[in-house]
Amino acid sequence: DAGVTQSPTHLIKTRGQQVTLRCSPISGHKSVSWYQQVLGQGPQFIFQYYEKEERGRGNFPDRFSARQFPNYSSELNVNALLLGDSALYLCASTLGTGPTGELFFGEGSRLTVL
Amino acid sequence: DQQVKQNSPSLSVQEGRISILNCDYTNSMFDYFLWYKKYPAEGPTFLISISSIKDKNEDGRFTVFLNKSAKHLSLHIVPSQPGDSAVYFCAALNNAGNMLTFGGGTRLMVKP
Repeated sequence: DAGVTQSPTHLIKTRGQQVTLRCSPISGHKSVSWYQQVLGQGPQFIFQYYEKEERGRGNFPDRFSARQFPNYSSELNVNALLLGDSALYLCASTLGTGPTGELFFGEGSRLTVL
Repeated sequence: DQQVKQNSPSLSVQEGRISILNCDYTNSMFDYFLWYKKYPAEGPTFLISISSIKDKNEDGRFTVFLNKSAKHLSLHIVPSQPGDSAVYFCAALNNAGNMLTFGGGTRLMVKP
Protein backbone atom coordinates (compact mmCIF):
# COMPACT_ATOMS: atom_id res chain seq x y z
CA ASP A 1 0.00 0.00 0.00
CA ALA A 2 1.16 3.49 -0.81
CA GLY A 3 2.12 5.70 2.07
CA VAL A 4 1.56 9.42 2.32
CA THR A 5 2.73 11.05 -0.89
CA GLN A 6 3.73 14.68 -1.26
CA SER A 7 4.56 16.83 -4.25
CA PRO A 8 6.71 18.49 -5.27
CA THR A 9 9.64 17.05 -3.33
CA HIS A 10 11.81 20.11 -3.85
CA LEU A 11 11.09 23.59 -5.08
CA ILE A 12 12.72 27.00 -5.17
CA LYS A 13 10.77 30.23 -5.01
CA THR A 14 11.63 33.88 -4.60
CA ARG A 15 10.37 36.27 -1.95
CA GLY A 16 6.83 37.46 -2.53
CA GLN A 17 5.82 34.47 -4.62
CA GLN A 18 3.13 31.98 -3.76
CA VAL A 19 3.47 28.21 -3.41
CA THR A 20 1.08 25.27 -3.33
CA LEU A 21 2.10 21.96 -1.81
CA ARG A 22 0.09 18.79 -2.29
CA CYS A 23 -0.51 15.72 -0.18
CA SER A 24 -2.27 12.42 -0.71
CA PRO A 25 -3.00 10.52 2.50
CA ILE A 26 -2.85 6.80 3.02
CA SER A 27 -5.90 5.15 1.51
CA GLY A 28 -8.73 5.18 4.02
CA HIS A 29 -7.22 7.94 6.14
CA LYS A 30 -9.54 10.88 6.55
CA SER A 31 -7.37 13.25 8.56
CA VAL A 32 -4.46 15.24 7.17
CA SER A 33 -2.09 17.45 9.12
CA TRP A 34 0.64 19.82 7.96
CA TYR A 35 3.87 20.53 9.81
CA GLN A 36 6.76 22.86 9.08
CA GLN A 37 10.27 21.72 9.96
CA VAL A 38 12.93 24.38 9.88
CA LEU A 39 16.50 23.10 9.69
CA GLY A 40 17.75 21.99 13.08
CA GLN A 41 14.34 22.15 14.75
CA GLY A 42 11.46 19.79 15.31
CA PRO A 43 8.31 19.86 13.19
CA GLN A 44 5.84 22.59 14.07
CA PHE A 45 2.09 22.14 13.66
CA ILE A 46 0.39 24.25 10.98
CA PHE A 47 -3.05 22.73 10.30
CA GLN A 48 -5.19 19.68 10.77
CA TYR A 49 -8.10 18.81 8.49
CA TYR A 50 -10.65 16.09 9.00
CA GLU A 51 -13.52 15.38 6.65
CA LYS A 52 -12.70 18.58 4.73
CA GLU A 53 -13.03 20.78 7.79
CA GLU A 54 -10.26 22.58 9.63
CA ARG A 55 -9.93 21.01 13.06
CA GLY A 56 -6.82 22.75 14.28
CA ARG A 57 -4.53 25.63 13.42
CA GLY A 58 -1.08 26.36 14.74
CA ASN A 59 0.58 29.70 15.35
CA PHE A 60 1.16 30.67 11.73
CA PRO A 61 0.20 33.89 9.91
CA ASP A 62 -2.77 34.14 7.59
CA ARG A 63 -0.40 33.80 4.64
CA PHE A 64 -0.69 30.09 5.33
CA SER A 65 -3.89 28.37 4.26
CA ALA A 66 -4.96 24.85 3.45
CA ARG A 67 -7.87 22.81 2.28
CA GLN A 68 -8.93 19.21 2.04
CA PHE A 69 -10.73 17.73 -0.92
CA PRO A 70 -13.53 15.12 -1.06
CA ASN A 71 -10.93 12.41 -1.77
CA TYR A 72 -9.14 13.50 1.46
CA SER A 73 -6.10 14.84 -0.36
CA SER A 74 -4.94 18.24 0.79
CA GLU A 75 -3.16 21.37 -0.36
CA LEU A 76 -1.12 23.83 1.66
CA ASN A 77 -0.80 27.32 0.24
CA VAL A 78 1.65 29.95 1.34
CA ASN A 79 1.36 33.48 -0.04
CA ALA A 80 3.85 36.33 -0.06
CA LEU A 81 6.79 34.04 0.69
CA LEU A 82 9.47 35.20 3.10
CA LEU A 83 13.00 33.88 3.45
CA GLY A 84 11.97 32.39 6.79
CA ASP A 85 9.43 30.16 5.07
CA SER A 86 12.30 28.04 3.79
CA ALA A 87 11.70 24.68 5.42
CA LEU A 88 10.65 21.07 4.99
CA TYR A 89 6.86 20.88 4.87
CA LEU A 90 5.55 17.60 6.14
CA CYS A 91 2.13 16.15 5.57
CA ALA A 92 0.79 13.42 7.84
CA SER A 93 -2.36 11.36 7.80
CA THR A 94 -4.34 9.38 10.33
CA LEU A 95 -7.47 7.29 10.13
CA GLY A 96 -9.51 9.65 12.27
CA THR A 97 -9.10 12.22 14.95
CA GLY A 98 -8.65 9.81 17.84
CA PRO A 99 -6.16 10.74 20.53
CA THR A 100 -3.43 8.34 19.47
CA GLY A 101 -1.19 10.93 17.88
CA GLU A 102 0.30 8.22 15.69
CA LEU A 103 0.73 10.18 12.51
CA PHE A 104 2.01 8.69 9.26
CA PHE A 105 4.28 11.22 7.61
CA GLY A 106 5.22 11.72 4.01
CA GLU A 107 8.78 12.48 2.94
CA GLY A 108 8.04 16.18 2.79
CA SER A 109 8.35 19.04 0.33
CA ARG A 110 11.53 21.03 0.74
CA LEU A 111 10.90 24.69 -0.01
CA THR A 112 13.74 27.13 -0.53
CA VAL A 113 12.90 30.82 -0.70
CA LEU A 114 15.56 33.05 -2.25
CA ASP B 1 8.19 29.22 24.43
CA GLN B 2 9.40 25.67 23.91
CA GLN B 3 6.96 23.36 25.62
CA VAL B 4 8.91 20.23 24.68
CA LYS B 5 12.68 20.24 24.89
CA GLN B 6 15.41 17.83 23.99
CA ASN B 7 18.54 19.31 25.48
CA SER B 8 21.02 16.99 23.83
CA PRO B 9 21.34 17.75 20.12
CA SER B 10 23.48 14.68 19.56
CA LEU B 11 24.46 11.40 21.18
CA SER B 12 27.08 8.86 20.19
CA VAL B 13 27.11 5.29 21.52
CA GLN B 14 28.85 2.05 20.72
CA GLU B 15 26.98 -0.76 19.06
CA GLY B 16 25.49 -3.12 21.64
CA ARG B 17 25.39 -0.52 24.41
CA ILE B 18 22.38 1.35 25.73
CA SER B 19 21.22 4.62 24.18
CA ILE B 20 19.28 6.97 26.44
CA LEU B 21 17.52 9.93 24.87
CA ASN B 22 15.92 12.50 27.12
CA CYS B 23 13.01 14.89 26.80
CA ASP B 24 11.49 17.49 29.12
CA TYR B 25 8.14 19.24 28.87
CA THR B 26 6.62 22.19 30.63
CA ASN B 27 2.88 21.87 29.97
CA SER B 28 1.30 19.75 32.70
CA MET B 29 -1.80 19.33 30.52
CA PHE B 30 0.07 16.98 28.19
CA ASP B 31 -0.93 13.40 28.91
CA TYR B 32 0.22 11.44 25.90
CA PHE B 33 3.74 11.31 24.55
CA LEU B 34 5.33 9.78 21.49
CA TRP B 35 8.78 9.18 20.03
CA TYR B 36 9.45 9.46 16.33
CA LYS B 37 12.54 8.48 14.39
CA LYS B 38 13.68 10.29 11.27
CA TYR B 39 16.19 9.19 8.66
CA PRO B 40 17.55 11.71 6.13
CA ALA B 41 15.22 12.34 3.17
CA GLU B 42 12.38 10.50 4.89
CA GLY B 43 9.46 11.62 6.98
CA PRO B 44 9.38 10.87 10.72
CA THR B 45 8.15 7.40 11.62
CA PHE B 46 6.34 6.52 14.82
CA LEU B 47 8.39 4.51 17.28
CA ILE B 48 6.66 4.18 20.63
CA SER B 49 4.21 6.06 22.82
CA ILE B 50 3.18 6.33 26.44
CA SER B 51 0.11 7.56 28.23
CA SER B 52 0.40 9.51 31.46
CA ILE B 53 -1.39 6.73 33.34
CA LYS B 54 1.73 4.62 32.85
CA ASP B 55 5.34 5.19 33.80
CA LYS B 56 6.83 2.70 31.38
CA ASN B 57 6.08 1.20 27.99
CA GLU B 58 8.19 -1.40 26.26
CA ASP B 59 8.37 -2.56 22.66
CA GLY B 60 11.23 -4.88 21.83
CA ARG B 61 14.51 -3.02 22.17
CA PHE B 62 12.72 0.27 22.87
CA THR B 63 11.43 1.40 26.25
CA VAL B 64 9.96 4.76 27.12
CA PHE B 65 9.88 5.97 30.72
CA LEU B 66 7.70 8.80 31.97
CA ASN B 67 8.25 10.76 35.18
CA LYS B 68 5.21 13.02 35.48
CA SER B 69 6.35 14.81 38.61
CA ALA B 70 9.59 15.79 36.88
CA LYS B 71 7.86 16.36 33.53
CA HIS B 72 10.52 14.17 31.97
CA LEU B 73 10.53 11.24 29.63
CA SER B 74 13.29 9.13 28.22
CA LEU B 75 13.74 6.59 25.46
CA HIS B 76 16.04 3.64 26.08
CA ILE B 77 17.35 1.55 23.20
CA VAL B 78 18.99 -1.71 24.20
CA PRO B 79 21.05 -2.99 22.53
CA SER B 80 21.81 -0.15 20.15
CA GLN B 81 22.42 -1.06 16.51
CA PRO B 82 24.03 0.96 13.70
CA GLY B 83 20.66 1.03 11.94
CA ASP B 84 19.30 3.02 14.89
CA SER B 85 21.39 5.98 13.79
CA ALA B 86 18.83 8.69 13.08
CA VAL B 87 17.28 11.82 14.56
CA TYR B 88 14.84 11.08 17.37
CA PHE B 89 12.01 13.44 18.23
CA CYS B 90 9.85 13.32 21.31
CA ALA B 91 6.38 14.80 20.96
CA ALA B 92 3.43 15.58 23.19
CA LEU B 93 -0.19 15.34 22.11
CA ASN B 94 -2.60 18.09 23.07
CA ASN B 95 -5.89 17.32 24.83
CA ALA B 96 -7.90 17.75 21.64
CA GLY B 97 -5.81 15.00 20.10
CA ASN B 98 -5.15 16.98 16.96
CA MET B 99 -1.73 18.52 17.45
CA LEU B 100 1.71 17.21 18.29
CA THR B 101 4.27 19.50 19.88
CA PHE B 102 7.75 18.26 18.99
CA GLY B 103 11.07 18.70 20.66
CA GLY B 104 14.06 19.83 18.66
CA GLY B 105 15.40 16.33 18.14
CA THR B 106 18.49 14.36 19.16
CA ARG B 107 20.81 12.93 16.53
CA LEU B 108 21.85 9.43 17.59
CA MET B 109 24.95 7.88 16.11
CA VAL B 110 25.61 4.23 16.84
CA LYS B 111 29.16 3.24 16.03
CA PRO B 112 29.94 -0.32 14.89
